[in-house]
Amino acid sequence: DTGVSQDPRHKITKRGQNVTFRCDPISEHNRLYWYRQTLGQGPEFLTYFQNEAQLEKSRLLSDRFSAERPKGSFSTLEIQRTEQGDSAMYLCASSFSGTQNEQFFGPGTRLTVL
Amino acid sequence: GQNIDQPTEMTATEGAIVQINCTYQTSGFNGLFWYQQHAGEAPTFLSYNVLDGLEEKGRFSSFLSRSKGYSYLLLKELQMKDSASYLCAVRPRGGSSASKIIFGSGTRLSIRP
Repeated sequence: DTGVSQDPRHKITKRGQNVTFRCDPISEHNRLYWYRQTLGQGPEFLTYFQNEAQLEKSRLLSDRFSAERPKGSFSTLEIQRTEQGDSAMYLCASSFSGTQNEQFFGPGTRLTVL
Repeated sequence: GQNIDQPTEMTATEGAIVQINCTYQTSGFNGLFWYQQHAGEAPTFLSYNVLDGLEEKGRFSSFLSRSKGYSYLLLKELQMKDSASYLCAVRPRGGSSASKIIFGSGTRLSIRP
């Protein structure tokens, strides 16, 4: 296991379409996080899971966004009825629960909504 | 609310030393992280501070003062490959927020020969 992986790396879609992204965390990690990053900004927290439980969801996340982690391993992030403002890099990270709780990031999925 | 401030851009010379400052105002505090992010790549972990003082790791050191809500990242013997954005991030304390971290906007560091 070489780290966190995300698929696809790039996605171009038309406004109004639905998109789904996948994240495979480091296998021993029980926590998984989704962030969104736009140019010139730091990552913005969206949601996180401990095992299969979704423990927190940002208020910035509209009802069009949903995330799952059904078996406590990989996770999916779905955006319904995409808007141009959804264009961003979507980053996934994973970590152990523990004192330091360093998060390891995947390469991201860059979404462009036309 | 949560607020993390760091300079937008800095420039330094190869071989020199640079200090990137970060101030934070958060509803709680349970640790501060520094991450490095090269253009088009994912952030990578550099350091973690939860107690006051200096943590040294090779060419990089990170300092924390909880009473002042202040941290800095010190980079020594700068190399061209250190050109990147440096992200300060804070983990608020408590409950289900125990693992969420809040990122600043990042400081874009350019190294000139």
